[in-house]
Amino acid sequence: EVQLLESGGGLVQPGGSLRLSCAASGFTFSNYAMNWVRQAPGKGLEWVSVISDSASITYYADSVKGRFTISRDNSKNTLYLQMNSLRAEDTAVYYCAKYLGYCSGGSCPRWFDPWGQGTLVTVSS
Amino acid sequence: DIQMTQSPSSVSASVGDRVTITCRASQGISSSLAWYQQKPGKAPKLLIYAASSLQSGVPSRFSGSGSGTDFSLTISSLQPEDFATYYCQQANSFPLTFGGGTKVEIK
Repeated sequence: EVQLLESGGGLVQPGGSLRLSCAASGFTFSNYAMNWVRQAPGKGLEWVSVISDSASITYYADSVKGRFTISRDNSKNTLYLQMNSLRAEDTAVYYCAKYLGYCSGGSCPRWFDPWGQGTLVTVSS
Repeated sequence: DIQMTQSPSSVSASVGDRVTITCRASQGISSSLAWYQQKPGKAPKLLIYAASSLQSGVPSRFSGSGSGTDFSLTISSLQPEDFATYYCQQANSFPLTFGGGTKVEIK
C-alpha cells in the first residue's frame, strides 16, 4: 500500500524556520516526482512546490519562492520542505503528494495521488 | 497564472439526486484537469484525471467531461458518503492551480 507520512509541523514565530518531512513507502520513491500542497484553515488548496524524481528540477509557487526549498533523499525515501522567513499567511496544513504516474520525456501526469495525512504549521507570535 | 473558477460554491442536494459542478479555466488547458474530493479533516482524494478518466477504485457514479476552458463533474446518484467538498485542478502549466471548491451539503 502506498503511504505518505508527513511530520515536522508545529508552532513557529514569524520570521522563523521549520523543516517538514514526508516519509514514503509502498512504491519506488525514486521513480516519482513529489509535491507539497497546503491548505490554510477553512480555505482551499494551494500548490506549493514540486521536485523531479532525480531532484534535478524544482518549481515553486510565487508565494513561497526564495523562502522555501524542496528537496529529497531517495536513499531514505523521504521528501523535505525547508521553510524560512515564515509569515502568518504560511499557516496551513501541509500535504505531500506524489504524481499519479511516471514522468516520461519531460511530460508528467500532474495529478496528485495519493496524499499524506498532512501536518499543521502555525506561524504566530 | 491560470485561474480556476468553480461554481456553485455550495449546493444542497438529497440522496439520489444528480449533481453537476462546473469549473472554468482562465485560458485553454486542453484536457489537463483533475477533480478531488475532500471530507472534513481528511486529505483530498483523486476522483477524475485528464478531464474524464476515472481513478481506480472510484465509483462509476462519478464522471467528468469537458476540454479547453469548461469542465464539469457529475455525480449521477448522490450517496451519503458523497457529501464533501470538491476541487478542480489544472495540470497544464506551473503554477498548478485549484478551483475554490464546491461544498455538497445535505438538503
